[in-house]
Amino acid sequence: GQQLNQSPQSMFIQEGEDVSMNCTSSSIFNTWLWYKQDPGEGPVLLIALYKAGELTSNGRLTAQFGITRKDSFLNISASIPSDVGIYFCAGLTQGGSEKLVFGKGTKLTVNP
Amino acid sequence: SAVISQKPSRDICQRGTSLTIQCQVDSQVTMMFWYRQQPGQSLTLIATANQGSEATYESGFVIDKFPISRPNLTFSTLTVSNMSPEDSSIYLCSVGVNTEAFFGQGTRLTVV
Repeated sequence: GQQLNQSPQSMFIQEGEDVSMNCTSSSIFNTWLWYKQDPGEGPVLLIALYKAGELTSNGRLTAQFGITRKDSFLNISASIPSDVGIYFCAGLTQGGSEKLVFGKGTKLTVNP
Repeated sequence: SAVISQKPSRDICQRGTSLTIQCQVDSQVTMMFWYRQQPGQSLTLIATANQGSEATYESGFVIDKFPISRPNLTFSTLTVSNMSPEDSSIYLCSVGVNTEAFFGQGTRLTVV
C-alpha cells in the first residue's frame, strides 16, 4: 500500500528557533494535509495543499506541495513552547474512494 | 470545517467485553471514517462508514470485530467487540469535507 516517509521522527529545539519537517512518498497525492496532535486530543488540521508547487502560510507555519506531487514540507518559524506536539503529514488519494495516508509523525519538543 | 463530538472520551474495559463509541457531527457529511492510533504510533484507517450501506473495511480489520453503524449523515458508531489488551488504543472519528479531513478528540480505550 501507499506509505509516507516522514522525517525527522523527533526534534528538540530551543524556543525561537525555526523548524522544518518533510514527507516523501513513492506515490502521487492530489492533496497534502498537515496536522498537529496534542496529548489526549485528536489531530487538528493546520494547512491543506491542493496544487503542485503551492506554498501556503498560516501564521508562523509555511507548507509546500512538492512539484512532483510526491513530497511536502512544513516549516515553523520562531518556535514557541505551545508548538510542542506531534505533527503528521497526510496525503489524500482520489479516484474511487478518498483515503488519507498518514506519515508516522514528528514529535517536537521546544525548550524555553 | 466540522465540529465532531466523540463519546466516551476514555474508558477502561474488561477483556471479553465490547465498547461502542459514538461520533456526532454538527453538519451533514457524506464520508465518515474510523481510525485507530496505537500508543506512540500514527493513525491507521479502520473503515469508511457509508450512510445507507455497509462500512468498507481496510485490510486487517473485519466487521465482526469492529461493527460500524451509520444511521444518518451526522452520526456513526464503532463497536470494539470481544476486547483484548491488544485493542488498547485511541480510536478516532473523522469526517471529510471538501478534500479536508477533521477529527474528533478521540476515545482512549484501555483493556485490562
